[in-house]
Amino acid sequence: DADVTQTPRNRITKTGKRIMLECSQTKGHDRMYWYRQDPGLGLRLIYYSFDVKDINKGEISDGYSVSRQAQAKFSLSLESAIPNQTALYFCATSDGLAGGYNEQFFGPGTRLTVL
Amino acid sequence: EDKVVQSPLSLVVHEGDTVTLNCSYEVTNFRSLLWYKQEKKAPTFLFMLTSSGIEKKSGRLSSILDKKELFSILNITATQTGDSAVYLCAGNNNAGNMLTFGGGTRLMVKP
Repeated sequence: DADVTQTPRNRITKTGKRIMLECSQTKGHDRMYWYRQDPGLGLRLIYYSFDVKDINKGEISDGYSVSRQAQAKFSLSLESAIPNQTALYFCATSDGLAGGYNEQFFGPGTRLTVL
Repeated sequence: EDKVVQSPLSLVVHEGDTVTLNCSYEVTNFRSLLWYKQEKKAPTFLFMLTSSGIEKKSGRLSSILDKKELFSILNITATQTGDSAVYLCAGNNNAGNMLTFGGGTRLMVKP
């Protein structure tokens, strides 16, 4: 079984719709992240959470919100989707030990298309 | 604002060739540099570099960091078609595992 799972894997929606992307992990990591990937731009951080009560904005948080429902679950919401939010979205986790300076492990990604 | 730039953007080689991928960074309170390989979907971790001049090696892949000149290279020797992927580098700052990614280098290895 995959350590980091994302649902759905693909989603097509219309402008103005509310969308939720979900991430679950079985790695026991306390830190979780949401990124989006656009061609040629690498991965850009949307939000991150270092534990259940901690939520922080990343580089490009406008138009997004998150919820850390449990240590193992971190969801990303688009309250009113717009076409320029069409992208590949990745969830990632890392261990908070050693000051948290460990590699991040990525989920399989969700391809979101907003028409 | 932290910045990571990779070059070249894309590269086409033949099996058996050796390639060098470049990553330059400007990261405030730099902590480490990470390399990832992205094939179809999820990036997979390759190396984490924290000290200058110490090569990390895994099979045909190796990487080194220069903290004075603010760059890292990833070398792949005797390339194989399975090395075809996008290679990402990311800088980590002291804010606690905040990664800034470069745009990636797309490598294609032809038979």
